[in-house]
Amino acid sequence: KAGVTQTPRYLIKTRGQQVTLSCSPISGHRSVSWYQQTPGQGLQFLFEYFSETQRNKGNFPGRFSGRQFSNSRSEMNVSTLELGDSALYLCASSFGPNQPQHFGDGTRLSIL
Amino acid sequence: GQQLNQSPQSMFIQEGEDVSMNCTSSSIFNTWLWYKQEPGEGPVLLIALYKAGELTSNGRLTAQFGITRKDSFLNISASIPSDVGIYFCAGQADTGNQFYFGTGTSLTVIP
Repeated sequence: KAGVTQTPRYLIKTRGQQVTLSCSPISGHRSVSWYQQTPGQGLQFLFEYFSETQRNKGNFPGRFSGRQFSNSRSEMNVSTLELGDSALYLCASSFGPNQPQHFGDGTRLSIL
Repeated sequence: GQQLNQSPQSMFIQEGEDVSMNCTSSSIFNTWLWYKQEPGEGPVLLIALYKAGELTSNGRLTAQFGITRKDSFLNISASIPSDVGIYFCAGQADTGNQFYFGTGTSLTVIP
């Protein structure tokens, strides 16, 4: 069982809405990364946080944002949802930015 | 962004056969990771490699860090039905901290 916890597991939204996804990393891990996984594009990097600071950002529009709290938990937000945002959103945590990442089971987001 | 080429894209093999897959990059990496993902779950870390030429095993799985630092290989010996899944490679370059992922190899094991 994955130690990274993502909530919710499934979410259905309509176009134009916004959504917030949550990720609790493995205890002791301070780095959290987010990925979007789709059948056609594979795993695409969204952003990485370490000690509440965004360290890296992928090539996604500004509608995608995130943050990390002092307890290392992280949230990502997507505003003005589009049909193409339907995907599995995966969170991964590690002790630090250069360490191997461990994934949660993801949030399956469907946009109607 | 950086693209990792993973091959083959899919494999259909008989139970008991050995499996080989590889991952190549146009850039040098200093870390290679191999993950397995099963339906409805997130990727699970199988093996981490940190040095060129390094060979690391995890049970029936063996992975190698290519000496050019631009490729990595994963072998599965004596495959069993529970090996079914999608195998991803991931690489991290010297100059950045982002992990780049391959497109995955889908493995089907026929009993």
